[in-house]
Amino acid sequence: EAGVAQSPRYKIIEKRQSVAFWCNPISGHATLYWYQQILGQGPKLLIQFQNNGVVDDSQLPKDRFSAERLKGVDSTLKIQPAKLEDSAVYLCASSFSGDGQPQHFGDGTRLSIL
Amino acid sequence: QQPVQSPQAVILREGEDAVINCSSSKALYSVHWYRQKHGEAPVFLMILLKGGEQKGHEKISASFNEKKQQSSLYLTASQLSYSGTYFCGTENSGGSNYKLTFGKGTLLTVNP
Repeated sequence: EAGVAQSPRYKIIEKRQSVAFWCNPISGHATLYWYQQILGQGPKLLIQFQNNGVVDDSQLPKDRFSAERLKGVDSTLKIQPAKLEDSAVYLCASSFSGDGQPQHFGDGTRLSIL
Repeated sequence: QQPVQSPQAVILREGEDAVINCSSSKALYSVHWYRQKHGEAPVFLMILLKGGEQKGHEKISASFNEKKQQSSLYLTASQLSYSGTYFCGTENSGGSNYKLTFGKGTLLTVNP
C-alpha cells in the first residue's frame, strides 16, 4: 500500500513569510495528525483530525498556524507569518482510526526560517 | 506530560543487548514505540496496552509495567540496522480524545 505522502520535502523562507505543507494519508485512514519535530526532540502533536473534524488542536499556535482537511482525505498545514522558532520538521501521520491504532508517518517537510 | 526516556544515548557493538526505558508521571493507558533513522520518517514498532503484557517483534520486544507507569524496550543481539533514535509515545486516558505524547528519544548506535 502507498504510504503517507508529504510535500514539499524541504522549504526555506524568511521570517514573516507564509508557507503551506500538504499531506495525503494512507487510503482509508480516518485519522490524520500533524506533528512538529524540532531537532533533537520527539514529535509534538499540533492537530489531530478524525475524518474532516478536528479532534485536538490544543497545542496549535492558532495566531499563526492553521490546518484544514476539507474532504476528509488530504490536509494542508499553513504558517502565517513564520517565526524563527518555527524551524523544524513537520510530520504528517495517519491511522485507520484514532483509538490507539499504529500511526504511519510521512517523510516530513524540513522547514528552515532565515 | 512528556514521558522521560533513558538512557539518552547508547553505543553498542553488533550482537550486544540494550534496554530503553520510558517513564510517565501519570497513569498509562498505552505505550507506542517507534524508530526513526536520520532524515527519515518514524517507523512503528509496537503498541502495548495496560495489563503488563510483553510483545515481540523479531529480536525486539517490550514490556509494560502499569504499576511503575513504565515501559521498556529490549533489543537483543543487536544488528547494524537497529541504529536510529527510538521514541516512546504515551497515551494516558484511553478515551475518545486518544493522543500520543512522545519522549525526547534515545539514540542507539550499533557499530560493527
